[in-house]
Amino acid sequence: EAQVTQNPRYLITVTGKKLTVTCSQNMNHEYMSWYRQDPGLGLRQIYYSMNVEVTDKGDVPEGYKVSRKEKRNFPLILESPSPNQTSLYFCASIGRYTDTQYFGPGTRLTVL
Amino acid sequence: AQSVTQPDIHITVSEGASLELRCNYSYGATPYLFWYVQSPGQGLQLLLKYFSGDTLVQGIKGFEAEFKRSQSSFNLRKPSVHWSDAAEYFCAVGANDYKLSFGAGTTVTVRA
Repeated sequence: EAQVTQNPRYLITVTGKKLTVTCSQNMNHEYMSWYRQDPGLGLRQIYYSMNVEVTDKGDVPEGYKVSRKEKRNFPLILESPSPNQTSLYFCASIGRYTDTQYFGPGTRLTVL
Repeated sequence: AQSVTQPDIHITVSEGASLELRCNYSYGATPYLFWYVQSPGQGLQLLLKYFSGDTLVQGIKGFEAEFKRSQSSFNLRKPSVHWSDAAEYFCAVGANDYKLSFGAGTTVTVRA
């Protein structure tokens, strides 16, 4: 089954404690993205990747890092999380010759 | 810069009635335009997208949208709403399929 998986689905942490949210897709897609969703703001793109070792900033990259060492994985790293990064995070992927962008189920992050 | 405005935060519609969700965008060239649906606790699912060709686009679940360049609009319609259409709907614009700007969303409530 074609899918994008994210782990963990729920995470509560404290300010300053480094964390990684993993994202993996099984469709051999070239493009992958991270979004955060906040009430009243919709989804805002954090980072995207066009292929292995090729990443670029989206609209709200501050406080986040990403890496793309393998085509299937695109982890999101928060090196020093702060409460304003409390949000619902979505990973997404799409292939160069496909029509549909697939979204993961979301990761709800709370930073205390 | 690209941006999307969804003027209606919340719409309530009776089951069997028609539905129209408004979307206005700002973009310098011919954009990719999308409508996504998010059911409670779920990720996003693509309903339809437009890039070129026929300005009336058919999507899944009986939805359609019309691109009107002169009005910078891409409104979503459904002739007869079912209770399962209760969800949050997002309009998005981008230069391609993977670098998108989303609107704030419209929540649809369906009453019996």
